[in-house]
Amino acid sequence: DTGVSQNPRHKITKRGQNVTFRCDPISEHNRLYWYRQTLGQGPEFLTYFQNEAQLEKSRLLSDRFSAERPKGSFSTLEIQRTEQGDSAMYLCASGDGELFFGEGSRLTVL
Amino acid sequence: DAKTTQPTSMDCAEGRAANLPCNHSTISGNEYVYWYRQIHSQGPQYIIHGLKNNETNEMASLIITEDRKSSTLILPHATLRDTAVYYCIVANAGGTSYGKLTFGQGTILTVHP
Repeated sequence: DTGVSQNPRHKITKRGQNVTFRCDPISEHNRLYWYRQTLGQGPEFLTYFQNEAQLEKSRLLSDRFSAERPKGSFSTLEIQRTEQGDSAMYLCASGDGELFFGEGSRLTVL
Repeated sequence: DAKTTQPTSMDCAEGRAANLPCNHSTISGNEYVYWYRQIHSQGPQYIIHGLKNNETNEMASLIITEDRKSSTLILPHATLRDTAVYYCIVANAGGTSYGKLTFGQGTILTVHP
């Protein structure tokens, strides 16, 4: 097993465009989490899935953000109409005990 | 979840023990103490966790005071690769809230040659 995989690792986009990030968790993990990290800050919880069910969403996750985990395997995080304030590292983690994080997807909105 | 307080930064000489303190005076009875670290440009990495007994694994030791209001992460023989931000987090170990971790600012540990 190669751990949690995230793609793309880097994304530069113009304000107003839509972007989508993908996370492939460790295969046997039922729980999958999304976090966001801005420069100089610790990661902030966004949402999590138990299998395909999205069980909790942070108030940080505005209506421009949507996450899915079809069939309880990989997950996608889509940001619509991106804003400069969305620039951050988006981290995915999986685990049913301690969390295993991916390397993250860094978003830069120009 | 209970909040934690950590020093902003610490230095350690290579080969010496690094002792990273954490205060969590409002921890509740069912909350564990977790430690993660984040090396530059990488995702956080789990180190260790404990409830009230001291814990040790291949990476580190965790010492929790008897009143559980503070803890210390010990890296017994620090190397340059241990330079990272270390996060102390208190959270429930199970139930619906597990994995919803509240990261603070952490402690920037710099290991010097």
